[in-house]
Amino acid sequence: GAGVSQSPSNKVTEKGKDVELRCDPISGHTALYWYRQSLGQGLEFLIYFQGNSAPDKSGLPSDRFSAERTGGSVSTLTIQRTQQEDSAVYLCASSSGTSGGAVDTQYFGPGTRLTVL
Amino acid sequence: AQSVTQLGSHVSVSEGALVLLRCNYSSSVPPYLFWYVQYPNQGLQLLLKYTSAATLVKGINGFEAEFKKSETSFHLTKPSAHMSDAAEYFCAVRSTGNQFYFGTGTSLTVIP
Repeated sequence: GAGVSQSPSNKVTEKGKDVELRCDPISGHTALYWYRQSLGQGLEFLIYFQGNSAPDKSGLPSDRFSAERTGGSVSTLTIQRTQQEDSAVYLCASSSGTSGGAVDTQYFGPGTRLTVL
Repeated sequence: AQSVTQLGSHVSVSEGALVLLRCNYSSSVPPYLFWYVQYPNQGLQLLLKYTSAATLVKGINGFEAEFKKSETSFHLTKPSAHMSDAAEYFCAVRSTGNQFYFGTGTSLTVIP
């Protein structure tokens, strides 16, 4: 079936504007992750959803960042009042969410490249 | 807490030479370890993963990695580099809470 998809692929916005980034995980995957990849940096964990549990928001860098996941499927990452330092590639990944010793593998989307002018 | 350290942000090898990308992990529990590859303008793809079944793990495209508990390492190797191996490589560790922690990446250049 289809892999993880993200939209838009590129987003250019002006400083101070709000943006929404969308992630469609693989069908049936209960776990969903958002990461940020800045130029020359590794992947920075932002937020993690697992089924109906409360999301792990420990990686969100500020209260301007939020994310939701509707119906346990599609997720939207929102950045309010964007700043130039928010410019990065935002990656989404999903996994089956298995536990109890089974090793979960993440499948990544192609990312959204955000540029804040 | 879990973390990974990738030594060397840039590695250059000649075509046909051995590829060695280093990864050391920090984990308070037996880790699950992963290597991902990111080709230019593409998303991350799983190369291989260590799940405690065998210390030597074989992945796609001729890559393999060996888990060494005594050295807390999970280095990635390939006997003979190919031009198509040029990419960014990321090591990652999975926590008990199913979070993943990634290294800062190693950019591999293959010289013809």
